[in-house]
Amino acid sequence: NAGVMQNPRHLVRRRGQEARLRCSPMKGHSHVYWYRQLPEEGLKFMVYLQKENIIDESGMPKERFSAEFPKEGPSILRIQQVVRGDSAAYFCASSRDRGNTGELFFGEGSRLTVL
Amino acid sequence: GENVEQHPSTLSVQEGDSAVIKCTYSDSASNYFPWYKQELGKRPQLIIDIRSNVGEKKDQRIAVTLNKTAKHFSLHITETQPEDSAVYFCAAMIQGAQKLVFGQGTRLTINP
Repeated sequence: NAGVMQNPRHLVRRRGQEARLRCSPMKGHSHVYWYRQLPEEGLKFMVYLQKENIIDESGMPKERFSAEFPKEGPSILRIQQVVRGDSAAYFCASSRDRGNTGELFFGEGSRLTVL
Repeated sequence: GENVEQHPSTLSVQEGDSAVIKCTYSDSASNYFPWYKQELGKRPQLIIDIRSNVGEKKDQRIAVTLNKTAKHFSLHITETQPEDSAVYFCAAMIQGAQKLVFGQGTRLTINP
């Protein structure tokens, strides 16, 4: 089992460009979570998805950010018109089960730098 | 919603001594409390967790205690070793909700 795979590991964008971060959950996992970690800070929940459904997006900024988890393929976190404040590590996690019945397994993260 | 407070933000102990990190949570409906360890530039990894139907859980040098009445839970690391140096995060999950809410993290440094 390859674990949660995220790519790219590092991404550099200029202000105004788009960033796309991809996450493939562990085999057999159908629940995906995205968290953002600013330097020297904790993990902030952004969004929880199951296949083809957004379950909870209460942590997503209202503008410029979107997430999807299509029937086929990885989950994608998309940030449009990036600003310097978007520079952070974005971690994806997956679980087999709903909510508190199972452990969250994290990927290695995608580190976005906005110039 | 749930709010998790974690203290201290930094902790430095001598190798071989014990380290204790404390967290409080706000929502009494929370019933799952994991602890994650994150080394520099790495992903968070689960080291121990506890559910609300137990008060204490141990795994070798690591233990977690939970006081549901006071809404406190703590991580205890005994006989600390240099490889224990990392950032530790507590988290809480509300029953029926789908997200872990994390504390702010504790940077633990073990001095040889």
